[in-house]
Amino acid sequence: GQQVMQIPQYQHVQEGEDFTTYCNSSTTLSNIQWYKQRPGGHPVFLIQLVKSGEVKKQKRLTFQFGEAKKNSSLHITATQTTDVGTYFCAGTSGNNRLAFGKGNQVVVIP
Amino acid sequence: NAGVTQTPKFQVLKTGQSMTLQCAQDMNHEYMSWYRQDPGMGLRLIHYSVGAGITDQGEVPNGYNVSRSTTEDFPLRLLSAAPSQTSVYFCASSTGLAATQAQETQYFGPGTRLLVL
Repeated sequence: GQQVMQIPQYQHVQEGEDFTTYCNSSTTLSNIQWYKQRPGGHPVFLIQLVKSGEVKKQKRLTFQFGEAKKNSSLHITATQTTDVGTYFCAGTSGNNRLAFGKGNQVVVIP
Repeated sequence: NAGVTQTPKFQVLKTGQSMTLQCAQDMNHEYMSWYRQDPGMGLRLIHYSVGAGITDQGEVPNGYNVSRSTTEDFPLRLLSAAPSQTSVYFCASSTGLAATQAQETQYFGPGTRLLVL
């Protein structure tokens, strides 16, 4: 079945530094979505990428969709304490069902 | 709009008890789904519905039943609770499939934290 893998699973990031989290699929995806879940909260939609090679930016966040539509990345610059949480990617492939990765838990060190 | 609402927020059950987790949305979304979230396991799809009267199994359906009598409501039933069902349960809704046949943005409810003793 469709699998979406996220690496790393955990990250400790110094405040002010940059970090990247990666998402890889075993199959070609129709789209990739990114969600953020704050501790104790629920997943909240961040962005959706649909086109091969697509790059989108939201302030300090840069999202990329690979040329083969099998991988994606989220890069955050100048990390702030508000960036703490778990970042999930989710993708749709042939069965039209959204498959979530296991998430990347990010801890920010002040 | 209230978005997606879930009740209760917290629940403690004894093994063998039954209960229903409620989920409602006021966005007229066709697609609704239930996920469970366990440490290190991410979000796993339990059941989903593409419209009133239509439901289907997800990745981990055993021990759970669903029904969709209206567009707004999508309750999740635990017929005989087991400790393995201790988890955080999220309901989500979306408009369905986009023109690209890709799943639309999921709007999640606040979750129900369930402990089965």
